[in-house]
Amino acid sequence: AQSVTQLDSHVSVSEGTPVLLRCNYSSSYSPSLFWYVQHPNKGLQLLLKYTSAATLVKGINGFEAEFKKSETSFHLTKPSAHMSDAAEYFCVANPSGGYNKLIFGAGTRLAVHP
Amino acid sequence: DAGVIQSPRHEVTEMGQEVTLRCKPISGHNSLFWYRQTMMRGLELLIYFNNNVPIDDSGMPEDRFSAKMPNASFSTLKIQPSEPRDSAVYFCASSFRLGREGMEQFFGPGTRLTVL
Repeated sequence: AQSVTQLDSHVSVSEGTPVLLRCNYSSSYSPSLFWYVQHPNKGLQLLLKYTSAATLVKGINGFEAEFKKSETSFHLTKPSAHMSDAAEYFCVANPSGGYNKLIFGAGTRLAVHP
Repeated sequence: DAGVIQSPRHEVTEMGQEVTLRCKPISGHNSLFWYRQTMMRGLELLIYFNNNVPIDDSGMPEDRFSAKMPNASFSTLKIQPSEPRDSAVYFCASSFRLGREGMEQFFGPGTRLTVL
């Protein structure tokens, strides 16, 4: 069965320090992978996507993610956290060959402290 | 582009009433999705349309829920009769599916439904 596991339900960092949100996927195929962000009372916004091109993907707001097939991971990073980064982050997979049906991780809530 | 448009943004109704949520996908997109988000269950896919045809409605909770997509630019999700446990945020998303390649979905701002 295909699944997405976000290893941390909550992550807390200080402003200006690095952010690491971890994601592992399980798939029989090489999926397309995405990170979405959801700010309080808002919809989901696409941060970045991996679709079998470059393994290091750059997204909006300084975020990037690296696809590592050997580790089946797609961790999200940012060198320096900003207060406005506080939100919930979802790692999402779209299995190759399937319908356009997304598989969502459970989400990681990022808190940023001054 | 205005993005995915949902209406209303907030809906408060009483148990037993009919509720209709509306969605206008991004122009040119051929796939449309309805999701429900609650604290307890997270994001759940309710139904998925491709080229206006329902492909997968296995996530629709029960017969009280129905969804239609009469044309490429409009979809509705109806709950009749509504119950307090239907209280949630309902999201509509759209994407462009090309062959076997998966494409990202673009989400609307959501409709916050409260059933009293």
